[in-house]
Amino acid sequence: AQTVTQSQPEMSVQEAETVTLSCTYDTSESNYYLFWYKQPPSRQMILVIRQEAYKQQNATENRFSVNFQKAAKSFSLKISDSQLGDTAMYFCAFMLYTGANSKLTFGKGITLSVRP
Amino acid sequence: GAVVSQHPSWVICKSGTSVKIECRSLDFQATTMFWYRQFPKQSLMLMATSNEGSKATYEQGVEKDKFLINHASLTLSTLTVTSAHPEDSSFYICSASTLVAGLYFGAGTRLSVL
Repeated sequence: AQTVTQSQPEMSVQEAETVTLSCTYDTSESNYYLFWYKQPPSRQMILVIRQEAYKQQNATENRFSVNFQKAAKSFSLKISDSQLGDTAMYFCAFMLYTGANSKLTFGKGITLSVRP
Repeated sequence: GAVVSQHPSWVICKSGTSVKIECRSLDFQATTMFWYRQFPKQSLMLMATSNEGSKATYEQGVEKDKFLINHASLTLSTLTVTSAHPEDSSFYICSASTLVAGLYFGAGTRLSVL
């Protein structure tokens, strides 16, 4: 079974600064996907970034980038130039791709607060 | 991007009544939909996997008779909480899957059972 660990329950960052959210996972599989989802106070789940395990290049989406270390089973999210709208709960998630029934396994999440 | 509509966004009901929550994929066909439950400040807990035209697959510990799932078409799945009690109060979220490994989430339903 796959597990996802987010060991930091809360973090705080000053606006315009950079913050890194940690995530580790455990799997014996080699082909999988990793995700970071954002859940703002509205509680709508928003996909932040996705990484295919077979790709060595780290995914980036504007101010968001990941540091994917496959051997170490680590998948951290870096948010640059933090904005007040980044305040949310962030979930790291793992998916073993088995077709349409592929399930997401979520970490416990981390609450990020961006200070003005 | 793909849109998943979930309705209602908030429902209050009396203990003992049943509540139906709808999850629709608006601009794509979803072969599979997932239902999650989330308590405040906690992660999403997968309740069941719903496939169009077949019975849902429930996660361990989820009562099938309490949480009825119907996936009647490629764009609609429903979750019915039967004989709801205060302990069923929670935030329920659906997600829809496409074959290209895309997962899209509904906005969630807050259920309050009095």
